[in-house]
Amino acid sequence: AQKITQTQPGMFVQEKEAVTLDCTYDTSDPSYGLFWYKQPSSGEMIFLIYQGSYDQQNATEGRYSLNFQKARKSANLVISASQLGDSAMYFCAMRGGRDDKIIFGKGTRLHILP
Amino acid sequence: GAVVSQHPSRVICKSGTSVKIECRSLDFQATTMFWYRQFPKQSLMLMATSNEGSKATYEQGVEKDKFLINHASLTLSTLTVTSAHPEDSSFYICSARDRDRTYGYTFGSGTRLTVV
Repeated sequence: AQKITQTQPGMFVQEKEAVTLDCTYDTSDPSYGLFWYKQPSSGEMIFLIYQGSYDQQNATEGRYSLNFQKARKSANLVISASQLGDSAMYFCAMRGGRDDKIIFGKGTRLHILP
Repeated sequence: GAVVSQHPSRVICKSGTSVKIECRSLDFQATTMFWYRQFPKQSLMLMATSNEGSKATYEQGVEKDKFLINHASLTLSTLTVTSAHPEDSSFYICSARDRDRTYGYTFGSGTRLTVV
């Protein structure tokens, strides 16, 4: 069975600082993918970054980077130079299984302080 | 980019009535769509996976007779909450899979259902 674990329910970070959101996963599938999504209070799911299990390099998208450590089964999200607009709920997710469905971790609520 | 339209965004219904939520992929064909439920301050829980032209696959613990899913075309999936009760009040969100893109999962904007 697949499982995503996010152990940080909430984080407070000073504006302009970098922040790391933790995510560990478990799967027996050799092929899988890892996502990070941002969910503001409006409820929409905003795609941030994706890492495939066979990708050799860590994914980066602007201020977002994914620290993928396959042996440790971790996929932490790093946000550089945080901004007030980064305050939101962040979900780590994994695709895989028969239908390639996505399952989500419990999320981390990030608060950026001015 | 890929767009998924979900309607309605908000709905209030009386106990015992049924509510239909639509999820439509606007610019791609979605052979697979997923339905999630999210309670306040909680994560998204997968309810079911629907493949076009076949019966939906429900996750353990989800009542298939209560949450009817229809995926009759490559661009439309519907979720009908039958005989709604206040405990069905939640945020429902769909996701459509675009197989032409590596990480082609596009989410709808969600439906906030309140049963009174």
